[in-house]
Amino acid sequence: EDQVTQSPEALRLQEGESSSLNCSYTVSGLRGLFWYRQDPGKGPEFLFTLYSAGEEKEKERLKATLTKKESFLHITAPKPEDSATYLCAVLWNSNYQLIWGAGTKLIIKP
Amino acid sequence: DAGITQSPRHKVTETGTPVTLRCHQTENHRYMYWYRQDPGHGLRLIHYSYGVKDTDKGEVSDGYSVSRSKTEDFLLTLESATSSQTSVYFCAISEGGDTEAFFGQGTRLTVV
Repeated sequence: EDQVTQSPEALRLQEGESSSLNCSYTVSGLRGLFWYRQDPGKGPEFLFTLYSAGEEKEKERLKATLTKKESFLHITAPKPEDSATYLCAVLWNSNYQLIWGAGTKLIIKP
Repeated sequence: DAGITQSPRHKVTETGTPVTLRCHQTENHRYMYWYRQDPGHGLRLIHYSYGVKDTDKGEVSDGYSVSRSKTEDFLLTLESATSSQTSVYFCAISEGGDTEAFFGQGTRLTVV
């Protein structure tokens, strides 16, 4: 069964403490991997798309990387406003349906 | 922000009643999606549309129907609501089937 697994489920960091979130997938024929941020009571907000192994994308304190079986979202020197749930989703060959992970809830304490 | 409006934002309905949720976009994107989000689950696709009158089923389509008579509007109907359909529903749009999607603010539906 095609799956997308995110870890950890929750992560508490101090402000300025860098870390990484993981998104592993078992689908074959990856067409794209997407990262989103979701704040409570709101819809997911698009962050990055990665299409091939070795690709990297950056935005402010966030950097996303992709290998053949997983993606990492690196957060450098996070601030409290980076607190959110981070979602990843995978698009694979068979159709246009994304498979979503359950998310990582990130809490940054001041 | 992408121009996506969902209505209503909140709704409480009784078991067995029909319910229609509306998604309206001003971006002229070809693809529109309906998802549900439940605690402990990732977003799950209910139905999607790849053009006017062109729709397809998603992972959790049972009990739901959709219609798209205009580019800008995508309706989700629960023909006879059940308690298992209590959820937060999100509409999303994208230019292509493999491009990033932009989400609405969500509709919280409670079936009692």
